[in-house]
Amino acid sequence: QVQLVESGGGVVQPGRSLRLSCVASGFPFRSFSMHWVRLTPGKGLEWLGVISDDGLNEDYIDPVKGRFTISRDNSKNTLYLQLNSLRGDDTAVYYCARGLPNWYRGYFDHWGQGALVTVSS
Amino acid sequence: DIKMTQSPSTLSASVGDTVTITCRASQSVNSWLAWYQQKPGQPPKLLIYMASSLETGVPSRFTGSGSGMEFTLTITSLQPDDFATYYCQQYETYSPFAFGAGTKVDMK
Repeated sequence: QVQLVESGGGVVQPGRSLRLSCVASGFPFRSFSMHWVRLTPGKGLEWLGVISDDGLNEDYIDPVKGRFTISRDNSKNTLYLQLNSLRGDDTAVYYCARGLPNWYRGYFDHWGQGALVTVSS
Repeated sequence: DIKMTQSPSTLSASVGDTVTITCRASQSVNSWLAWYQQKPGQPPKLLIYMASSLETGVPSRFTGSGSGMEFTLTITSLQPDDFATYYCQQYETYSPFAFGAGTKVDMK
């Protein structure tokens, strides 16, 4: 069955960095776009960005452009989210999610269990 | 950017009730709309895609309808397992794939 297992969350000071990983299994990882979504108490679910199946295309919401980077290693069935210059309002549960083969349009049919990132001094 | 507005933000209901949640888009998203259910401590679960297509394994008491700018999610004969928060999400355009703010269905 499809599984997405995240790791890398934790407590980090403002301005520091963190990298989240999401290991996929149970489906042809290299054939699907992958997304990151976060859940915050104040804003609910917020889509952060997408990476195409081949890793050649990415897009992000404006608040994280230039700070967050999505990448993938199809040989390892692994998706990454590099979070730099973290701020207090980045505190959230971060989810990886499987999209559709087309990266420019998609809903999310499988999700990771979530990784809690707390930004605090 | 397309903005998604859900109403109500909270809905109090009893087991057996029929409940309806509305989602409005700031511009047409055709039928590119999904609905999710989320419970505390769990990831979201896909219920409906393409506005009205039921995801495999989702009970038939969940029904999605609408197109263009206005959509509804109806839960018929609410079950104890259905108390949760529900989100709509447009995917007509990836810039960005916006979610609604959520509707919490709680026990009356």
